[in-house]
Amino acid sequence: QKEVEQNSGPLSVPEGAIASLNCTYSDRGSQSFFWYRQYSGKSPELIMSIYSNGDKEDGRFTAQLNKASQYVSLLIRDSQPSDSATYLCAVRRKSGYSTLTFGKGTMLLVSP
Amino acid sequence: DAGITQSPRHKVTETGTPVTLRCHQTENHRYMYWYRQDPGHGLRLIHYSYGVKDTDKGEVSDGYSVSRSKTEDFLLTLESATSSQTSVYFCAISEPGGNTEAFFGQGTRLTVV
Repeated sequence: QKEVEQNSGPLSVPEGAIASLNCTYSDRGSQSFFWYRQYSGKSPELIMSIYSNGDKEDGRFTAQLNKASQYVSLLIRDSQPSDSATYLCAVRRKSGYSTLTFGKGTMLLVSP
Repeated sequence: DAGITQSPRHKVTETGTPVTLRCHQTENHRYMYWYRQDPGHGLRLIHYSYGVKDTDKGEVSDGYSVSRSKTEDFLLTLESATSSQTSVYFCAISEPGGNTEAFFGQGTRLTVV
C-alpha cells in the first residue's frame, strides 16, 4: 500500500464549479498535511496546510482533515481555468526528521 | 521561489559520467531535501539534510550521494549517471518541526543519454 494515495485524474470541472480533490494516507502517526499546486513545467507551490481535524479555509480553498479515516481533501470553490494544474498531497510523520511524503498528484482541468 | 536557486537548470550528460547538482538557499533554513519527479511516480525523496554535515537517505538513494558543508548549499552527486536517472530534480528547504512547510526550487531537468 502506498503511503499517500491520490486519484491521478484528470478531474474535469466547468468554470465556476467546486473541485474536490482527495488524498488518503496509511501512517496513523502522520502529523501535518499539505496541499501543493504544480503547473506543468514548474515547481510545486504550497497552497494549504492543515494539522487538526476539521476544515481550514483560505479564500476559495478549503482543506479538510479526518485523522480517524486517514483522509484529507481540498475543495476549490468557483474554479477558474487558472486553477488547472496538478495538485499534490503531502504528509509529514510525527517522528523522525520530518520528511514529507508526497502522493502522485491529481491533475485538475477547469474548462471555460 | 523562497530564496532557493538550483543549478544548472538543464543538463544533458552521457551515461557513466559523474554529475553534480547544486542547491543554494538564502533563507538559512536548517533542512534541505533532494527529490526527483518522474511521470507515474510523483515526487520521491532521494536524500535530505538536517544540518551541516548531517545527511540521511530517502526512499530512492541508490546511485546518489550528497554533501552539505555549509548551511546554504546542498549538493547532489550522481556518481555514474544512468539513463534511469533522467528526471526532474527538485531541491526543497524547510525549518525543523512538524508544522512547517517545505519550499521548492525551480528544478533541474537532467537527461542522461
